[in-house]
Amino acid sequence: QQQVKQSPQSLIVQKGGISIINCAYENTAFDYFPWYQQFPGKGPALLIAIRPDVSEKKEGRFTISFNKSAKQFSLHIMDSQPGDSATYFCAASGGSGSRLTFGEGTQLTVNP
Amino acid sequence: ETGVTQTPRHLVMGMTNKKSLKCEQHLGHNAMYWYKQSAKKPLELMFVYNFKEQTENNSVPSRFSPECPNSSHLFLHLHTLQPEDSALYLCASSQERGLGYTFGSGTRLTVV
Repeated sequence: QQQVKQSPQSLIVQKGGISIINCAYENTAFDYFPWYQQFPGKGPALLIAIRPDVSEKKEGRFTISFNKSAKQFSLHIMDSQPGDSATYFCAASGGSGSRLTFGEGTQLTVNP
Repeated sequence: ETGVTQTPRHLVMGMTNKKSLKCEQHLGHNAMYWYKQSAKKPLELMFVYNFKEQTENNSVPSRFSPECPNSSHLFLHLHTLQPEDSALYLCASSQERGLGYTFGSGTRLTVV
């Protein structure tokens, strides 16, 4: 019940296209859903996060869509750029006092 | 720099060696974590420290020994490692458990 399932494992998108990565969870106590971006040779960096009281959060070209009833959330990258090529991790936690559970990661490649 | 500094960045050690990884954060965070990241595998949580006290050990072999002398420093002592222990070891910190992790850049460990 602590798992977060992420798909796809890898994704190739053309420059200017939309990249979509999906995550699903089971634990209804989760109330914090961040996305992390990791470039080769670096640690993951917090990209954007959402709480279940909103269905969407947008920061620049990055948008999280959240569906509480389906227990799913997704990351959309609009106008994808080659510099967005990285590994993306979704995560979830039950808030203060619980640990962050990570998805398996998606390797995104944006072709020029 | 993210505010979480890990040293060394790269480490090659023999199976009979003893070495230590160091993590330092000056973000005022109360929780610190060790993760293992192997190729094509999800992030594996190893240890959690909250206010210098170890609160989680995810069945990590005893050849990995963590130490947290204060809330700003975290060490991972290594001895008699196996080649399968070769991986990227990531340190992270957060203000509270489960929220807003800040990762270091990791130590790339190779056991020969």
